[in-house]
Amino acid sequence: AQKITQTQPGMFVQEKEAVTLDCTYDTSDQSYGLFWYKQPSSGEMIFLIYQGSYDEQNATEGRYSLNFQKARKSANLVISASQLGDSAMYFCAMRATGAGSYQLTFGKGTKLSVIP
Amino acid sequence: DTAVSQTPKYLVTQMGNDKSIKCEQNLGHDTMYWYKQDSKKFLKIMFSYNNKELIINETVPNRFSPKSPDKAHLNLHINSLELGDSAVYFCASSQGHRLSGANVLTFGAGSRLTVL
Repeated sequence: AQKITQTQPGMFVQEKEAVTLDCTYDTSDQSYGLFWYKQPSSGEMIFLIYQGSYDEQNATEGRYSLNFQKARKSANLVISASQLGDSAMYFCAMRATGAGSYQLTFGKGTKLSVIP
Repeated sequence: DTAVSQTPKYLVTQMGNDKSIKCEQNLGHDTMYWYKQDSKKFLKIMFSYNNKELIINETVPNRFSPKSPDKAHLNLHINSLELGDSAVYFCASSQGHRLSGANVLTFGAGSRLTVL
């Protein structure tokens, strides 16, 4: 079984500062993928970044980077230079191989608030 | 041109009624999903279809019945609605299920169901 844990229900960050959203995962699979999604107050789910378990380098997409520490089973999202529009719920998710590969398992999310 | 479209966006109905939510994707994806997001924002997989074949059928009451007439459509029918069915239902699609950054889930905008 796969499990995603996001321990921060809510986070605050000053505009233009960087912020790290924590995510730890648990799986017995050797091959898996980690995803981050953003859900603004309007409700849609927006894909941000992907990290494969065998990727040697940490993924980056613009202001988003994923701090992947495989031994610690963590996949933290780093947002640099926060903007007001970054205020949203952020979900970490995992997909593994085998029968579970058809689904994403989500964490409970972190609500990020960017302060002007 | 919306990639994954769900209708209706809002649905308010009485307990005991039967309702349907429709989903269509124009991305040419092979795999489609239904997720339920509860009042605490937790997202849980309900069903997944790959090329019209049911792949995932999580522990969901049999009042919920998915139907996939073709691989571009996945509809959700709910019989005998209960108060606990109130939630946001998300349809999603992906190119496949292999682990790859190309196989991210693209979500619809969600359908908010309120059962009175």
